[in-house]
Amino acid sequence: SQTIHQWPATLVQPVGSPLSLECTVEGTSNPNLYWYRQAAGRGLQLLFYSVGIGQISSEVPQNLSASRPQDRQFILSSKKLLLSDSGFYLCAWTATGFYREQYFGPGTRLTVT
Amino acid sequence: GDSVTQMEGPVTLSEEAFLTINCTYTATGYPSLFWYVQYPGEGLQLLLKATKADDKGSNKGFEATYRKETTSFHLEKGSVQVSDSAVYFCALSPSGGSYIPTFGRGTSLIVHP
Repeated sequence: SQTIHQWPATLVQPVGSPLSLECTVEGTSNPNLYWYRQAAGRGLQLLFYSVGIGQISSEVPQNLSASRPQDRQFILSSKKLLLSDSGFYLCAWTATGFYREQYFGPGTRLTVT
Repeated sequence: GDSVTQMEGPVTLSEEAFLTINCTYTATGYPSLFWYVQYPGEGLQLLLKATKADDKGSNKGFEATYRKETTSFHLEKGSVQVSDSAVYFCALSPSGGSYIPTFGRGTSLIVHP
């Protein structure tokens, strides 16, 4: 069966510090991968998605970036965090088949102080 | 573009009450429709799905029917439990070449004993 991992689970970082969040998927190949942010108030904001190694599409201009160095690895980064980067970050994957339901990781709670 | 509209929450019910959470969508073609559930501090989990008109998705006592004529996918449960307290998201996956799903803003459900 497929499993998706995210780490760290929680993170407290000062403003201006760098960020690296990692997501890996097991049990599937060539998944579509997604990064979402969920601020207080529940709504999901799509940040990046990737349909293959090295292929990244950005949905929202900001100081975050994403990379996909391996088929089942997706990394979210920032060189300098802002207070507004605080939130709950979710990684998700979708099979490349027809129905495309998404499977989410457990999330990373990021607090920028 | 595609859109998903959910009823505003929170929805507050007593245990064993009947639940309806309304969801309507706008999309071209024949999208797949989904309900996801998010428990506090966790990622989203797929609750049920329907992939064509008149399909009924069901899981854990929850049901939703894909109504193309009314562009709706309302979530129902006959008798809610305290453990059903969570945030529920309606979502669609487009039928064309796009890999970007569209989520509603989420509806918080609170069930009191």
